[in-house]
Amino acid sequence: DAGVIQSPRHEVTEMGQEVTLRCKPISGHNSLFWYRQTMMRGLELLIYFNNNVPIDDSGMPEDRFSAKMPNASFSTLKIQPSEPRDSAVYFCASSSAGQVPYEQYFGPGTRLTVT
Amino acid sequence: AQKVTQAQTEISVVEKEDVTLDCVYETRDTTYYLFWYKQPPSGELVFLIRRNSFDEQNEISGRYSWNFQKSTSSFNFTITASQVVDSAVYFCALSVPPRAGNNRKLIWGLGTSLAVNP
Repeated sequence: DAGVIQSPRHEVTEMGQEVTLRCKPISGHNSLFWYRQTMMRGLELLIYFNNNVPIDDSGMPEDRFSAKMPNASFSTLKIQPSEPRDSAVYFCASSSAGQVPYEQYFGPGTRLTVT
Repeated sequence: AQKVTQAQTEISVVEKEDVTLDCVYETRDTTYYLFWYKQPPSGELVFLIRRNSFDEQNEISGRYSWNFQKSTSSFNFTITASQVVDSAVYFCALSVPPRAGNNRKLIWGLGTSLAVNP
C-alpha cells in the first residue's frame, strides 16, 4: 500500500516567493496533519483536517501560511511570501479518525530552504 | 494541561548495550493514549507503538519493549542489545479522545537522540 506522499521532497526558493507543498494521504484515512520540524522548535503541529474540514489551525504561524484540503486525497500548504525563517522540514501525516486517536502515518517530508 | 517530557536529550551507547528512553507525561484525563515514534537519519517518522491508559501490560516486540506505569506517569522504551541501525531520534507522544468537537492533537515530547556506536 502506498504511504503518505509528499511533493516536492526538496524546495529551494528565494525570500518573497510563493511556496506550495503538496500531500496525498493514505487512502481511507480521514484525518490529515501538517507539521513543521526545526532544530530550534522541534516538531510543531501547524494545522489538521478531519473529513477535509480544518479542525485546529492554532499552530499556523501567521497569515502568510494557508492550508487547504479540497478533497479526501489531496492537501496543500502554501507560504506566501516565504521568509528565511520558514526554512524547515514540513511533514504531512494522516490517520483514521474515530473516537480512539489512531496513530498518524507520516510522509517523507519536504525540506524547504528559503534564501 | 497535557505535557510530555523526554528528559534525555541525547544518549550514546556502544552496540549490544541495553538502553532505556524515558517518557513522562501529564494529563488529568483518565482515558488517554501514548505513542512512540522513531525518526532515523533518513528523516521519516515511523510509528512504533500505541498504548491506551487502561492497558498497563508491558509490550515486547523483538528487541523493543515498553514499560507503562500509571503510578509514575511514565511510558519508557527499552532497546535490548542495541544495534547501529537503532540510531535515531525517538519521540513520545500523548493524545486524549475529544470531549467536544473533534480535536485529536498529539502532544509531542522533544525527542531523545540515540547514537549506537559500533
